[in-house]
Amino acid sequence: GAVVSQHPSWVICKSGTSVKIECRSLDFQATTMFWYRQFPKQSLMLMATSNEGSKATYEQGVEKDKFLINHASLTLSTLTVTSAHPEDSSFYICSARAISGGAGETQYFGPGTRLLVL
Amino acid sequence: GNSVTQMEGPVTLSEEAFLTINCTYTATGYPSLFWYVQYPGEGLQLLLKATKADDKGSNKGFEATYRKETTSFHLEKGSVQVSDSAVYFCALSDSSYKLIFGSGTRLLVRP
Repeated sequence: GAVVSQHPSWVICKSGTSVKIECRSLDFQATTMFWYRQFPKQSLMLMATSNEGSKATYEQGVEKDKFLINHASLTLSTLTVTSAHPEDSSFYICSARAISGGAGETQYFGPGTRLLVL
Repeated sequence: GNSVTQMEGPVTLSEEAFLTINCTYTATGYPSLFWYVQYPGEGLQLLLKATKADDKGSNKGFEATYRKETTSFHLEKGSVQVSDSAVYFCALSDSSYKLIFGSGTRLLVRP
């Protein structure tokens, strides 16, 4: 149980285009999903927290108009990188926290989406 | 603010050696503590966790004990295998449910 999927697993796009990444909790309902960005050989940086049915909360320094997050249901959150540029190339990872979880509840991570902007 | 500090890597060991990866944290309140592992080309997987002081998390031969007095959560394994080669992340979760990660420690186990 507790599987989180991401789609696509990798994407190459041209500069100026938009890319949508989906994050799904397959066998549990997630009140909260998180989006992270990971640069090569570095740690994960939290970008935003996504709650079902409400606006995402962005971390300081993350452009909310650049990285659009939608949490349409208890099993799906999407991250759209708008007008992508080469500096947006990175590994994007989502995680999901189960609906019944307390502060100590585990976050389950998706396998990540590698984005390359040419 | 809350933070996690891990020992610098890479850590290179021979198979069957003892492993310790140090992790210390700074937090207000009573965070939960986690170790995640990232194998090459894969996403993060929860390795173990502890939610209160003196709890010991364990999985796949790995152990870590939540030490409030030293604000530490060191990862240990008695005998590593080549298949344990990966990047290990220590993390804490506070009341906001956000995970704060350490910088990661790369482990390389040689046959």
